[in-house]
Amino acid sequence: GQQLNQSPQSMFIQEGEDVSMNCTSSSIFNTWLWYKQDPGEGPVLLIALYKAGELTSNGRLTAQFGITRKDSFLNISASIPSDVGIYFCAGTKNTGNQFYFGTGTSLTVIP
Amino acid sequence: GAGVSQSPSNKVTEKGKDVELRCDPISGHTALYWYRQSLGQGLEFLIYFQGNSAPDKSGLPSDRFSAERTGGSVSTLTIQRTQQEDSAVYLCASSLSPGGGQETQYFGPGTRLLVL
Repeated sequence: GQQLNQSPQSMFIQEGEDVSMNCTSSSIFNTWLWYKQDPGEGPVLLIALYKAGELTSNGRLTAQFGITRKDSFLNISASIPSDVGIYFCAGTKNTGNQFYFGTGTSLTVIP
Repeated sequence: GAGVSQSPSNKVTEKGKDVELRCDPISGHTALYWYRQSLGQGLEFLIYFQGNSAPDKSGLPSDRFSAERTGGSVSTLTIQRTQQEDSAVYLCASSLSPGGGQETQYFGPGTRLLVL
């Protein structure tokens, strides 16, 4: 399916730092999802957003559904080594049948 | 089981052979999706099932690829006459009720296919 614009492509940070990544689209989305994929595993759902402006937290993770419905961001606070992996955004449009994925952000946390 | 399961977890085959990959979605999930992920790349959509029918096959890369779903549950992705470029991780995902406004997609662990 159509790829969303996700940035940055990769990040190298020190343990304890905060992380921010975002996803944008030229189309309006009804749902935004954020996934994390560890090496050799399938993507695991982190946060799901269903309403424009919605801000949702899951532990050290916070994600927001942009007010324009064309973007979303994910923040990770106080990063730890196990945060390493690839983070994908995904979204659905009005019919909701197909999921569109971002190109991924590779996160490396340096102890 | 509670999650999406896929089998086999790894498959090594010789060029030209056929392979079948299986996906068991979460019980009650009506929608099922197949994706392909090459090393270090994002997710490439292959096909989507709603029940047993496939309204969107647009991502299948060639006529060597086919998929079916029976009983609104298990799905099989078949690759005929495999080529080396078919080597990738094949991921399956399911969701409960597309179009209901609360779509969430859950992934299986994937099948790692290596074509020699």
